[in-house]
Amino acid sequence: GAGVSQSPRYKVAKRGQDVALRCDPISGHVSLFWYQQALGQGPEFLTYFQNEAQLDKSGLPSDRFFAERPEGSVSTLKIQRTQQEDSAVYLCASSLALYLQGGGNSPLHFGNGTRLTVT
Amino acid sequence: GQQVMQIPQYQHVQEGEDFTTYCNSSTTLSNIQWYKQRPGGHPVFLIQLVKSGEVKKQKRLTFQFGEAKKNSSLHITATQTTDVGTYFCAGTNTGTASKLTFGTGTRLQVTL
Repeated sequence: GAGVSQSPRYKVAKRGQDVALRCDPISGHVSLFWYQQALGQGPEFLTYFQNEAQLDKSGLPSDRFFAERPEGSVSTLKIQRTQQEDSAVYLCASSLALYLQGGGNSPLHFGNGTRLTVT
Repeated sequence: GQQVMQIPQYQHVQEGEDFTTYCNSSTTLSNIQWYKQRPGGHPVFLIQLVKSGEVKKQKRLTFQFGEAKKNSSLHITATQTTDVGTYFCAGTNTGTASKLTFGTGTRLQVTL
């Protein structure tokens, strides 16, 4: 079946421009995550959705970052007034089940990411 | 906040040699997952460990979760060139279940 789809694959933005990154999760997956991965680093958590509810946005680096998932399926990560330090790969991941405290969690299925370069 | 460190950062082995990466969390974890990311690719789930002291095997890969649930390891026996990539551990702590925190990663290079 289809995996997680992200678009665009590459985005070049001039400093100060706004960008919107799209994520199509696997159909039926309840949980959706956004991560930021700088070159040579591990993925850094940005935000988590359970269906349409944004339950955790503690990883968003500033108020220039905004994410939504209005119908509990497709999600968009928007970055306003981009800056050079925003350059990174933005990864979206979905998971079948809810992420609950304690016990196990279902694995994350990642998309191929959007590589954002801010010049 | 929670920090998850991995050592070594990088390891270069010859095909057939063994490899181990260690993962250490600053907080107690409710579970730990392992992912592999090939160069230019995205992280792919390998396994999840939940119980204290748990050991799981997948062919040549052995995963272990520490007794205190603050550390984990991945051991690969007789590496192959197909094992090349970066291995990440990722854990959720008991306080913030939705925040899966990835480790710093260990990049493995295997040559013939």
